[in-house]
Amino acid sequence: GAVVSQHPSRVICKSGTSVKIECRSLDFQATTMFWYRQFPKKSLMLMATSNEGSKATYEQGVEKDKFLINHASLTLSTLTVTSAHPEDSSFYICSARSGLQETQYFGPGTRLLVL
Amino acid sequence: AQSVSQHNHHVILSEAASLELGCNYSYGGTVNLFWYVQYPGQHLQLLLKYFSGDPLVKGIKGFEAEFIKSKFSFNLRKPSVQWSDTAEYFCAVNAGTDKLIFGTGTRLQVFP
Repeated sequence: GAVVSQHPSRVICKSGTSVKIECRSLDFQATTMFWYRQFPKKSLMLMATSNEGSKATYEQGVEKDKFLINHASLTLSTLTVTSAHPEDSSFYICSARSGLQETQYFGPGTRLLVL
Repeated sequence: AQSVSQHNHHVILSEAASLELGCNYSYGGTVNLFWYVQYPGQHLQLLLKYFSGDPLVKGIKGFEAEFIKSKFSFNLRKPSVQWSDTAEYFCAVNAGTDKLIFGTGTRLQVFP
């Protein structure tokens, strides 16, 4: 199957700082990338959908100014958590898809801990 | 609103037992259906998917799922589980929108 990578795999930061997470599709061009948040023992919650070259579409309740998403190329999307707070600590997962009827392939996730 | 229900939150089985995990969705139109697996410490992997055609879908590692449109269900089955099947299993639906709706997941523990 297709490979999606995320970097970093885990990050610890101080409250008030910003953290950038990268999501890359390694062997295919991803027209659409998705960002999810996974809480312990909970399902994945979609945060936003990003299409290459256009603004991300955020789900209800997700602050677009706090979670900045950039999808500058067909193989790279970034999620920046701005002014992080302890409640932003979570597991962030991206997925990528090459077309509308194609399968989403998931990255390994990034564990964020805000102190 | 579209939703996906997985009624079994935690399933414990012995090796060689048969497995069936339930998945029901709420949407009246055309759906694409998926089962993903998340092994401990690993990322989500696609087990199988249904887009159209034969409603009995075979996936990797001996898993299969059956789409029953009249019951809005897409249950996952495996005739004989192994210890290595211990994982979290997620059903997901893509229903007329651009995004996947996930169920809450089922934690499967298989004991030798």
